[in-house]
Amino acid sequence: AQKVTQAQTEISVVEKEDVTLDCVYETRDTTYYLFWYKQPPSGELVFLIRRNSFDEQNEISGRYSWNFQKSTSSFNFTITASQVVDSAVYFCALTVYNQGGKLIFGQGTELSVKP
Amino acid sequence: DGGITQSPKYLFRKEGQNVTLSCEQNLNHDAMYWYRQDPGQGLRLIYYSQIVNDFQKGDIAEGYSVSREKKESFPLTVTSAQKNPTAFYLCASSDQDRGQETQYFGPGTRLLVL
Repeated sequence: AQKVTQAQTEISVVEKEDVTLDCVYETRDTTYYLFWYKQPPSGELVFLIRRNSFDEQNEISGRYSWNFQKSTSSFNFTITASQVVDSAVYFCALTVYNQGGKLIFGQGTELSVKP
Repeated sequence: DGGITQSPKYLFRKEGQNVTLSCEQNLNHDAMYWYRQDPGQGLRLIYYSQIVNDFQKGDIAEGYSVSREKKESFPLTVTSAQKNPTAFYLCASSDQDRGQETQYFGPGTRLLVL
């Protein structure tokens, strides 16, 4: 069975601080995909990134960066110089190859960025 | 604009009533999904469909039903058998390639029981 754990339920930071959201996953499959989604107060999930299990290269997109480490089964997300607009709930999710695309979500981390 | 639409935004259900949530996409995606989100929790899969006229149960299908008569549409019916239907319902779609493709989500429907 697969599982995703986001141990941080809530994080509060002051604008311009860096913040890291943790994600730990469990799966016995060798081919899988990891995702991060952002859920602003409006409710719609916004896709941020997709990573496959064979690509451990870290990725940077503007102020966002992701650190994928298979050795620790982690896929952490860092926001540099946070802004108030980053306030949202962030979800990490996992899907396994050839199983219909079922996404397993973590519980989510609510990030609050204060001015 | 390409995207996923869900309606209504808010829905109220009376005891013993069946209600249907609409999900439409114009992304030409083969696969569509329904998830349920409860406060403070992640999303859980209700049903999914990889092709027209075919669908499979997810983790929490009891009390729900779906149909997939058209590629663009995947309506979800919350039946009276669903004893705790109050939740936020999200529809998603993706290309279908052995389940590895990114899912894109609609704006959601909030269902409340009167």
